[in-house]
Amino acid sequence: DSGVTQTPKHLITATGQRVTLRCSPRSGDLSVYWYQQSLDQGLQFLIQYYNGEERAKGNILERFSAQQFPDLHSELNLSSLELGDSALYFCASNPEWGLDTGELFFGEGSRLTVL
Amino acid sequence: QQQVKQSPQSLIVQKGGISIINCAYENTAFDYFPWYQQFPGKGPALLIAIRPDVSEKKEGRFTISFNKSAKQFSLHIMDSQPGDSATYFCAATDSGAGSYQLTFGKGTKLSVIP
Repeated sequence: DSGVTQTPKHLITATGQRVTLRCSPRSGDLSVYWYQQSLDQGLQFLIQYYNGEERAKGNILERFSAQQFPDLHSELNLSSLELGDSALYFCASNPEWGLDTGELFFGEGSRLTVL
Repeated sequence: QQQVKQSPQSLIVQKGGISIINCAYENTAFDYFPWYQQFPGKGPALLIAIRPDVSEKKEGRFTISFNKSAKQFSLHIMDSQPGDSATYFCAATDSGAGSYQLTFGKGTKLSVIP
């Protein structure tokens, strides 16, 4: 158990809909990262938050948005869903940037299926 | 170029054999190279990592070899066991940018047969 909690574990929805994925990082970790894992693209970095502020942005679509709340949990919002958005979405955390190890602790993911 | 290229896509090794997975990168700013292991239904978990100031790092049966001039690094699993059957991802990042946003290879599915 990595200590990172993601909900829901599975989600089935229709095209055009909007969903919210939630992540609770490990206790004390300030950074939250979101990754998308699909069969053809592998693990793709979406966005990072550090202590409530956006720190880095990857290949995140404009239809997607995220935020990190004062209690450090994070939400990833996916809207106007398309079939191609079907994937595993992972959240990861680490204590703070600048630490030498750089180890990210991943949750078990949220599997999104868009029909 | 942010890409990390990983090969092979899949690997079958007999128990007790050596598993070798290779990765290559292009961005010379990358300074941290971890390997992650992922079992079905689980998130990736850090296996071993290296920085470019060393050419090799060993932890138990797992060894990373790093060739800075060739911009390549590889994972060797000695005495491979059925429990090592998993998907392995190499990754890289420029930690000096203040973020550990990892660029991952596309993964290698390792099957160790008894």
